[in-house]
Amino acid sequence: AQSVAQPEDQVNVAEGNPLTVKCTYSVSGNPYLFWYVQYPNRGLQFLLKYITGDNLVKGSYGFEAEFNKSQTSFHLKKPSALVSDSALYFCAVRLADSWGKFQFGAGTQVVVTP
Amino acid sequence: GAGVSQSPSNKVTEKGKDVELRCDPISGHTALYWYRQSLGQGLEFLIYFQGNSAPDKSGLPSDRFSAERTGGSVSTLTIQRTQQEDSAVYLCASSLDWGGGNSPLHFGNGTRLTVT
Repeated sequence: AQSVAQPEDQVNVAEGNPLTVKCTYSVSGNPYLFWYVQYPNRGLQFLLKYITGDNLVKGSYGFEAEFNKSQTSFHLKKPSALVSDSALYFCAVRLADSWGKFQFGAGTQVVVTP
Repeated sequence: GAGVSQSPSNKVTEKGKDVELRCDPISGHTALYWYRQSLGQGLEFLIYFQGNSAPDKSGLPSDRFSAERTGGSVSTLTIQRTQQEDSAVYLCASSLDWGGGNSPLHFGNGTRLTVT
């Protein structure tokens, strides 16, 4: 079965410290991987994606993510977190056997404290 | 340019009533998706459209749920005889393609459905 997992329900970090949100996947073939952020009472906003090429991809708002094929991971990172980064983050994978269906992780709540 | 528009933003209905949720995708986006997000839970796939056809309806929870898309644009998700467990935020998203796999989803702000 193809799936994506976010092992942490919540991540707490102090403002200015590095932020990491973990994501692992299990798919057949080459995965297309995405990160989205959801602010309260809003839809999801696209942050970044990995399709092919460099394993380190850069996205919006200073976020980046590293694709690691051997560990089947796609962790989201930000070198210095801001209070405004507090939100719900979703990892997603596009499934090889059903292009139309994005599989989303359960989400990780990020709380950045001043 | 306008993003994905969903209406209504909030809907309160009585158990047993039918509801219609509307999604207006970004102009030119051929693929359209419906997801459901329950409180404290992740996103549950419902259905997606490529043009006006729905290759995958596997996520629809029951035969009370149906969706259609006309003119390759606006989509309507209909829930008949609503139940309390249908209460959730219904999210619509569109993307430029579906076969290439590169295009991200662009989400609307959702419709919050409350069944009393």
